[in-house]
Amino acid sequence: GAVVSQHPSRVICKSGTSVKIECRSLDFQATTMFWYRQFPKQSLMLMATSNEGSKATYEQGVEKDKFLINHASLTLSTLTVTSAHPEDSSFYICSARDPGHRETQYFGPGTRLLVL
Amino acid sequence: GQSLEQPSEVTAVEGAIVQINCTYQTSGFYGLSWYQQHDGGAPTFLSYNALDGLEETGRFSSFLSRSDSYGYLLLQELQMKDSASYFCAVPQAAGNKLTFGGGTRVLVKP
Repeated sequence: GAVVSQHPSRVICKSGTSVKIECRSLDFQATTMFWYRQFPKQSLMLMATSNEGSKATYEQGVEKDKFLINHASLTLSTLTVTSAHPEDSSFYICSARDPGHRETQYFGPGTRLLVL
Repeated sequence: GQSLEQPSEVTAVEGAIVQINCTYQTSGFYGLSWYQQHDGGAPTFLSYNALDGLEETGRFSSFLSRSDSYGYLLLQELQMKDSASYFCAVPQAAGNKLTFGGGTRVLVKP
């Protein structure tokens, strides 16, 4: 199957700082990527849909000014958590749709963010 | 809106069979997918059903009944490595963003 990578895998930062997470599709082009957040022992909650060359679409309740998404190329989407606070500590996962099989999404390995 | 219900936890022994049910409510239906996620890992795609019936892939099978808004994932010949969380999910439109169920944590014991 297709490969999606994320960087970094784990980050610890101080409250008030910004953190950038990268999501790359390694062997295919992804015009659309998705960003999810997952708290311990809970399900994946979609935060936003990242569209190459246009603005991201945010889910209800997700602050677009706090979670900045940029999808500048067909293989890279970035999520920046601005002015992070302890409640932003979570597991952030991106996914990309398989261009050959639209019903399949490939997920990155996730980024564990801890805000102190 | 969309919502999916699945049991929170199932425990079984090695070699057993486990069925994870998923009932869904959607404004439009574009298929039901199943994903597996080990602790600390990424979800991995298991199966997709767009039409009624059973899809078999090795030890795992997935079933769909659109008239009942219901599906299940069947895990056969359970192995220790099958201990993980399993999520059912539906897209909001064909190939679009997914809404996930709450997940079922499967614990396989020796």
